[in-house]
Amino acid sequence: DAKTTQPPSMDCAEGRAANLPCNHSTISGNEYVYWYRQIHSQGPQYIIHGLKNNETNEMASLIITEDRKSSTLILPHATLRDTAVYYCIVRVASLGQGAQKLVFGQGTRLTINP
Amino acid sequence: GAGVSQSPSNKVTEKGKDVELRCDPISGHTALYWYRQRLGQGLEFLIYFQGNSAPDKSGLPSDRFSAERTGESVSTLTIQRTQQEDSAVYLCASSKTTGGPRVAQPQHFGDGTRLSIL
Repeated sequence: DAKTTQPPSMDCAEGRAANLPCNHSTISGNEYVYWYRQIHSQGPQYIIHGLKNNETNEMASLIITEDRKSSTLILPHATLRDTAVYYCIVRVASLGQGAQKLVFGQGTRLTINP
Repeated sequence: GAGVSQSPSNKVTEKGKDVELRCDPISGHTALYWYRQRLGQGLEFLIYFQGNSAPDKSGLPSDRFSAERTGESVSTLTIQRTQQEDSAVYLCASSKTTGGPRVAQPQHFGDGTRLSIL
């Protein structure tokens, strides 16, 4: 799976938009970009994923550049409960009947400040 | 609906004892995964089940570790003769299985079992 690069930490003020970048310059055409987060003492939580189009759900928006070499996760109105480690993961879609393990890097530790 | 459930949430045991960790996946999820997360570290993949078969057990660290799954339901991870380096949070995840090669299926995680070996 393609390697991803994320800043180790970021801060954001409560109520503002949090924009988390991820570089995946070696991504190939059949690889998706996934975002997960892990709040202290909890299991990772799925946020969103995309292939090449921008995606939005109730939690966040995912903006993928046209060349797909980088993406940004946007939390539109960050709250204190969004403080967590955010992981950007690139992996192929499931192949045939096989789903694939996730490979977690170090992620970005996002701190939302009051 | 109900998420992935793991039990126990915490387990403290003496070195050399055997432990059994349980995972109840989301209903209808045919794929099930076990990961390990040591304190301050990232997640390490252990094993993947598709139904009750395990096509990928490449992450099991030693023959003291084994796992089984009953049909498309409960899975148990067993660690025999526990060692102090086995102390970690053991996480289980489940997902639907794609019906084709280009359908991405996200994994959904439980909150893990925190295992402490004294």
